This record gives sequence, structure tokens and C-alpha cells, in this order.
Amino acid sequence: DAGITQSPRHKVTETGTPVTLRCHQTENHRYMYWYRQDPGHGLRLIHYSYGVKDTDKGEVSDGYSVSRSKTEDFLLTLESATSSQTSVYFCAISESREAFFGQGTRLTVV
Amino acid sequence: GEDVEQSLFLSVREGDSSVINCTYTDSSSTYLYWYKQEPGAGLQLLTYIFSNMDMKQDQRLTVLLNKKDKHLSLRIADTQTGDSAIYFCAESNNAGNMLTFGGGTRLMVKP
Repeated sequence: DAGITQSPRHKVTETGTPVTLRCHQTENHRYMYWYRQDPGHGLRLIHYSYGVKDTDKGEVSDGYSVSRSKTEDFLLTLESATSSQTSVYFCAISESREAFFGQGTRLTVV
Repeated sequence: GEDVEQSLFLSVREGDSSVINCTYTDSSSTYLYWYKQEPGAGLQLLTYIFSNMDMKQDQRLTVLLNKKDKHLSLRIADTQTGDSAIYFCAESNNAGNMLTFGGGTRLMVKP
């Protein structure tokens, strides 16, 4: 899996609680991304990073924030989780043409 | 914005060829990709094609691109049961490689 680790792999949380998902890479790739996967929608980009402390919004960024303080780590935070954020979250990394994906985090908000 | 469309489902018999189709709307797409997702797993990059090419072959996989019609297809020769998965088409038009995905095509291979 190209040296990408997502944690946790599964999480159940209550509405209104904060949640942080972590993506760790060992490839020293410049670009990192967070996508969410929902039935019928494929994967949609939440936020991405093009370097340490350099991040930008994707297509579905509302309700999410990110941070990248080190090249190898990209954190996705849901400040106050809602049921609509129940999804499978994928981290991806890229240096040029190819993007490689982590195994995903299944998040359930109850 | 960009839009990528795929049919939802395809069923083939083992040994037959599979053809998965994809259409996209962004005429500035630079690279087009095919990813495979098996149950409970992440996405595996199968192949990609640069927009100035019209065909790319890699073992059992053949990608055809019709840039005029904005149509991309993935042909899998001699389809095996291990090819059963969801296949995603995606496009990118920038150096940051942000991908816009289709909704995925579930391929079922019958023995």
C-alpha cells in the first residue's frame, strides 16, 4: 500500500463529538489528500495538502479541517461530528502522476 | 464542475472480455485513470493514460480514449473471478493530481 497507514481503521462516535483521523506516509511524497467514499458518489475530495502547512479545500470540505505539521502526517478533524459524516475515509499520497491510497477508515456517527 | 459517469454494474462469464465504460465532461483533463477496489480494501491503481494518447495496453488490460467524445474504456481480456471488484474511472487536470472520480462500476465474474 505504498507506505500509507490510516488510523484508526474503524471508529464509532456520537453526534457532536470531535474526531481526528490520521494518515501517515513513509514515502516522502509532497501531496496528500483526504477523500470520502459514499455509495453512488465514488470518492470525493475533502481537503488536500501540497506541503507542510500548505493545505486547501476540496469539493466537500464543509465540517472538516486538516493540518499538516510534518511531511509524513496529514490529519483530518471533524470538529463536531454529524450523521451525514458517516462514511469511509481514504487518504492518498502523490508525487507526480500516480496517487496511492490507504486502506480506509470506516467512521460511523450515531 | 467536472463530472465523471460510469454504469453501475457489469456481469460477465469467466474467460470472456469485460469492457467498462466511462464518460467525462472536463475537456482540460490531462490524465485519466482506472482504479480497482476489492471489498474492504483501498483503491489500487491499475493504469492511466495521458490525454494525447488514444490507447494503452498493459498485459490483460487495454485502455481506449476517445478525447473528442470524452469517452474512456477499460477492457479486461480473459476475465477471471479474481477480477470481481468495483472499478473506478478518474480524471485529473492539474499537477497536484487531485482526482475526480466516477461512481464506480461493480464487475461480477460468473464461473
